Amino acid sequence: AQTVTQSQPEMSVQEAETVTLSCTYDTSESNYYLFWYKQPPSRQMILVIRQEAYKQQNATENRFSVNFQKAAKSFSLKISDSQLGDTAMYFCAFMKSGNQFYFGTGTSLTVIP
Amino acid sequence: NAGVTQTPKFQVLKTGQSMTLQCAQDMNHNSMYWYRQDPGMGLRLIYYSASEGTTDKGEVPNGYNVSRLNKREFSLRLESAAPSQTSVYFCASSVYHGASGSNEQFFGPGTRLTVL
Repeated sequence: AQTVTQSQPEMSVQEAETVTLSCTYDTSESNYYLFWYKQPPSRQMILVIRQEAYKQQNATENRFSVNFQKAAKSFSLKISDSQLGDTAMYFCAFMKSGNQFYFGTGTSLTVIP
Repeated sequence: NAGVTQTPKFQVLKTGQSMTLQCAQDMNHNSMYWYRQDPGMGLRLIYYSASEGTTDKGEVPNGYNVSRLNKREFSLRLESAAPSQTSVYFCASSVYHGASGSNEQFFGPGTRLTVL
């Protein structure tokens, strides 16, 4: 079975600082995809960044980047220059072949002015 | 494009009542999903449909039924609602582009369901 673990239920960061959210997963698959989703208070789920497991290069999207360690099955999200609008719940997700997704329990991030 | 739409946005039921949550997507996606979100538990998959005409159970299917009416629509039915089904329900869709391209899930706005 696939599992996704987010060990930090809550985190906070000062505005303009950098924060890293952790995610580990367990799978026997060799090809898969990893995602970070953001859920602001509006409740809408928004894709932040994605990573294909076959790619060694870490994905980057503006202020968001990942540290993907395939052997360690780790997929952390780094947010640089944190902004107030980054305050949200962040979910790590795993997708295997067949299009089935698995989500972690989420990390609630608060950006402090 | 509207993306993924869900109706209703809010619903209050009494124990034992039935209802159907509706979901539609206009992105021509093959796969559709129903999740429930509960505090501290993230999103848990109820049912999914990999393609039109197929449905499969997810992690928490008990008490629910689904219908993939056509490629656009995927409904979730509660036959006899229970307080344990109080939750926020999300519908999502995705298309798999193989080794590259977009294969993310697109989510609807959610339905907040309360069962008294």
